[in-house]
Amino acid sequence: NAGVTQTPKFQVLKTGQSMTLQCAQDMNHNSMYWYRQDPGMGLRLIYYSASEGTTDKGEVPNGYNVSRLNKREFSLRLESAAPSQTSVYFCASTGGGGYTFGSGTRLTVV
Amino acid sequence: ELKVEQNPLFLSMQEGKNYTIYCNYSTTSDRLYWYRQDPGKSLESLFVLLSNGAVKQEGRLMASLDTKARLSTLHITAAVHDLSATYFCAVGSNNAGNMLTFGGGTRLMVKP
Repeated sequence: NAGVTQTPKFQVLKTGQSMTLQCAQDMNHNSMYWYRQDPGMGLRLIYYSASEGTTDKGEVPNGYNVSRLNKREFSLRLESAAPSQTSVYFCASTGGGGYTFGSGTRLTVV
Repeated sequence: ELKVEQNPLFLSMQEGKNYTIYCNYSTTSDRLYWYRQDPGKSLESLFVLLSNGAVKQEGRLMASLDTKARLSTLHITAAVHDLSATYFCAVGSNNAGNMLTFGGGTRLMVKP
């Protein structure tokens, strides 16, 4: 099915561990985004990639890095996980019209 | 910096009643999106509003956009239990990033 695919769906990390969240879209969209959603809150932008080869910080970039591997894939890396990064992470993409969101990655850092 | 505020944050209503959710934003934009989120799920697109005065309706939901007032509304008509969810508005930026800034969400509970 066309859309945005995120892996993994669930992850538990220990403080200090690292991991990469993967996101891929098959709609030939130029722009991709990583958001985090904390309980009872709206989504906050971590990083975005307006087009292949570019990345920029969003509202809450500290503790994260991203890679726009190609037009399809945009990964989010936590180098040294902290409990404050416990959240649900959503990847999204757009070709200039509507936005398509992935199903999310629920991350717990203990 | 773009700020987006929704109110109310929580809404409990009886089936059959009408109500409106408000979305105010702080800087100029002509792109406004409404999403629905069920618990533990992703965001489902409801409406895309792309011009001043835009009005869109789907079933019991109607959304409107006033870019001069920087205000969008989501009106619920004759609410039913199936509308229980959290509703988010999001405003599109006018820069090259095309990013969305989200409101805090309105948690709607419709009681029989």
